[in-house]
Amino acid sequence: EAGVVQSPRYKIIEKKQPVAFWCNPISGHNTLYWYLQNLGQGPELLIRYENEEAVDDSQLPKDRFSAERLKGVDSTLKIQPAELGDSAVYLCASSLAYGAKNIQYFGAGTRLSVL
Amino acid sequence: AQTVTQSQPEMSVQEAETVTLSCTYDTSESDYYLFWYKQPPSRQMILVIRQEAYKQQNATENRFSVNFQKAAKSFSLKISDSQLGDAAMYFCAYRAYNTDKLIFGTGTRLQVFP
Repeated sequence: EAGVVQSPRYKIIEKKQPVAFWCNPISGHNTLYWYLQNLGQGPELLIRYENEEAVDDSQLPKDRFSAERLKGVDSTLKIQPAELGDSAVYLCASSLAYGAKNIQYFGAGTRLSVL
Repeated sequence: AQTVTQSQPEMSVQEAETVTLSCTYDTSESDYYLFWYKQPPSRQMILVIRQEAYKQQNATENRFSVNFQKAAKSFSLKISDSQLGDAAMYFCAYRAYNTDKLIFGTGTRLQVFP
């Protein structure tokens, strides 16, 4: 069974350009997460989806970041415009169940470099 | 607010030896979960072991075991018979019982020498 798939693996852009990251969760997983991982830090949650509904986006900088999960499967995270400080790894995770049974499985992430 | 602290930025161990990675956390909750994730250079976070706070028995997974001290809010990971493939970043993480939000520490880089 395929794990969480993310693309691209690497992205280099100039500041003020837009960028988008794509995530395909494990089949059947209804909960999807986007995390930001700065260099030398642990991941921090940006947004969580239950099916197609964003149920926790309190950490998402909404002035430049947006996300969508149409049809409750794949998800896209967008930054427009990108800033130098956005250089980081963007991780996607998915889980089957909420609460006690929740175990999050992660993708390999997208490493973004903003020049 | 809950926090997770990993005070060892780097650790090293010789192949076949045992190493212990430290983690402390702060919470006012009584029910929660603790995790150790491994992140190799490929960047994919892999779940190593999970502990439920209401269970007194320490979790074990093959060569990996934890020392969970609830009163001290300590959750260390012991890796026995270390292998070269164990080299990676290790992150300790906390999740309150009624949420999905994982709170991670800053990680410990483990090097394994032959």
